[in-house]
Amino acid sequence: QSALTQPASVSGSPGQSITISCTGTSSDVGGFNFVSWYQQHPGKAPKLMIYEVSNRPSGVSNRFSGSKSGNTASLTISGLQPEDEADYFCSSYTSSTIYVFGLGTKVTVL
Amino acid sequence: QVQLQESGPGLVKPSETLSLTCTVSGGSINGGNYAWTWIRQPAEKGLEWIGRTYISGSTNYNPSLKSRVIISIDTSKNQFSLQLSSVTAADTAVYYCVRQVMGKGYFDYWGQGTLVTVSS
Repeated sequence: QSALTQPASVSGSPGQSITISCTGTSSDVGGFNFVSWYQQHPGKAPKLMIYEVSNRPSGVSNRFSGSKSGNTASLTISGLQPEDEADYFCSSYTSSTIYVFGLGTKVTVL
Repeated sequence: QVQLQESGPGLVKPSETLSLTCTVSGGSINGGNYAWTWIRQPAEKGLEWIGRTYISGSTNYNPSLKSRVIISIDTSKNQFSLQLSSVTAADTAVYYCVRQVMGKGYFDYWGQGTLVTVSS
């Protein structure tokens, strides 16, 4: 099972919106609505930001939103803030009944 | 608030077995519909799903590691464990124990992670 494809880095200025893509196949992202997104600050454990493509857990800012089209899922951060600077990983359930992650995207706030 | 904490040796010799335990606090490992999962992250790399267990004791493993992995659960101690045999330097990583919501495909509570280095 191959890792999901994410851009290595995305950057934006405070207040701007950025979008991170996560591309898989019809056997993972495209086949299931079990796509989730995680934020990871250096030296910290990942934190769930989005589940089931577009749902936000309690306590996560509504500046974070998720969507999916075909085999590609996306995470959008609107009103970018300095504390959003982190690595972001997507994850998907697969037809092999295992889970696969993306290699991560480093978000830089300029 | 559920908390997970990994414990175990931080250094393992090549060809030996890596053993980690995750202690769950703030809630019973028996409570609710959850899968108890291990995920690892080599330095500067992405996350890799290792496998999961349930309170029934059944398991699912990543095929890439299946021949070397055993995940077990001890509900009396509110713990679950990972054993990875015949380790090499490629198994050096931060290992996380994680709770997954069954039927939902996401990981909601993570341990802080523990670095395991494979070296002689």
